[in-house]
Amino acid sequence: DVKVTQSSRYLVKRTGEKVFLECVQDMDHENMFWYRQDPGLGLRLIYFSYDVKMKEKGDIPEGYSVSREKKERFSLILESASTNQTSMYLCASSFIAGSTDTQYFGPGTRLTVL
Amino acid sequence: GQNIDQPTEMTATEGAIVQINCTYQTSGFNGLFWYQQHAGEAPTFLSYNVLDGLEEKGRFSSFLSRSKGYSYLLLKELQMKDSASYLCAVNNDYKLSFGAGTTVTVRA
Repeated sequence: DVKVTQSSRYLVKRTGEKVFLECVQDMDHENMFWYRQDPGLGLRLIYFSYDVKMKEKGDIPEGYSVSREKKERFSLILESASTNQTSMYLCASSFIAGSTDTQYFGPGTRLTVL
Repeated sequence: GQNIDQPTEMTATEGAIVQINCTYQTSGFNGLFWYQQHAGEAPTFLSYNVLDGLEEKGRFSSFLSRSKGYSYLLLKELQMKDSASYLCAVNNDYKLSFGAGTTVTVRA
């Protein structure tokens, strides 16, 4: 069974802290994605990676960075958290670029920045 | 830019039919996904349309018209467990652009 896991379901951090969100998939997928989901705005793509050590900016990369050192793991980093980064963060993975394969989503991390 | 529109909310009665429309204007198009997301859970795959026409999968069907930039998801014989958000997403290579989602509430 397909599985994408995220390190935390809920996280509370203070403004200015460095925050790491971890995502692991066990499907040997090439592509991995980080989204944030906000009411009325839907899912917005922050960063994605189509191979180890490769990354590309999504639609809203400002204030975020990512790391993909191993195929199964994709980390989202908030270098200095701000209150406007309070959101639900969803990780996803998919098999082949440009294919019809769906993205599989993790359960999400609800991050609150105080 | 990407512009994907769907209604914010819909309410229907158990056993009824509901149609969720999605219109899109995007820079590229490889297909259109529909996902279901229950409150507090991850989105899960429902359907994928690449070519024009209707794809039927049990109680759920999805339709695509590429020339009109239009899709709909049809939910038949509604059940209480169908209360959820339904997300329309356009596939542009391996990137997805999502609509804001439609929250469907099924009443007894």
